[in-house]
Amino acid sequence: DSGVTQTPKHLITATGQRVTLRCSPRSGDLSVYWYQQSLDQGLQFLIQYYNGEERAKGNILERFSAQQFPDLHSELNLSSLELGDSALYFCASSSRPGQLAFFGQGTRLTVV
Amino acid sequence: GQQVMQIPQYQHVQEGEDFTTYCNSSTTLSNIQWYKQRPGGHPVFLIQLVKSGEVKKQKRLTFQFGEAKKNSSLHITATQTTDVGTYFCAGHVNSGGSNYKLTFGKGTLLTVNP
Repeated sequence: DSGVTQTPKHLITATGQRVTLRCSPRSGDLSVYWYQQSLDQGLQFLIQYYNGEERAKGNILERFSAQQFPDLHSELNLSSLELGDSALYFCASSSRPGQLAFFGQGTRLTVV
Repeated sequence: GQQVMQIPQYQHVQEGEDFTTYCNSSTTLSNIQWYKQRPGGHPVFLIQLVKSGEVKKQKRLTFQFGEAKKNSSLHITATQTTDVGTYFCAGHVNSGGSNYKLTFGKGTLLTVNP
């Protein structure tokens, strides 16, 4: 158990809908990363937060947004969902940027 | 942008054979991390290398970080069926101040024939 908790584990939704994925980092970790993993693209970095502030942005679509709350949990919001958004979404946390990251078990999103 | 390339994409070996995966970055890395992901699982942290030319060993696994901090390798001696999975390297690049971006290679899927 990495100590990073992601909910829900599975999510099935229709195209055009909006979903929210939640991540609770390891106790004491201030930095949260979000990744998208699909079969053909590997682990794609989406966005990183540190102590509530956005620190780095990757290949995150405009339809996607995220935030980190004062209690350090983070949410990834995906809207206007398309079939191609079906993937595993991982959250990882580290004590601070540049340090080793621990991954949650992921949320498997299926858009139908 | 910064890219981390990893080869090979797939490797199939007989149990007992050695295995190596290579990672190469287009920019100098602050550090490099290696992860293993079992089928259906999540990436699990294996090790972090920080210093130029660093070599670390974990039982049958040997990790190296290049002198220029742009490449790394993971070598497994005498593979076992429990080594099956995808091995990812991930590099931290400083994108300004205390901002870092952790970029993953596409991984090497290792399968082992018993």
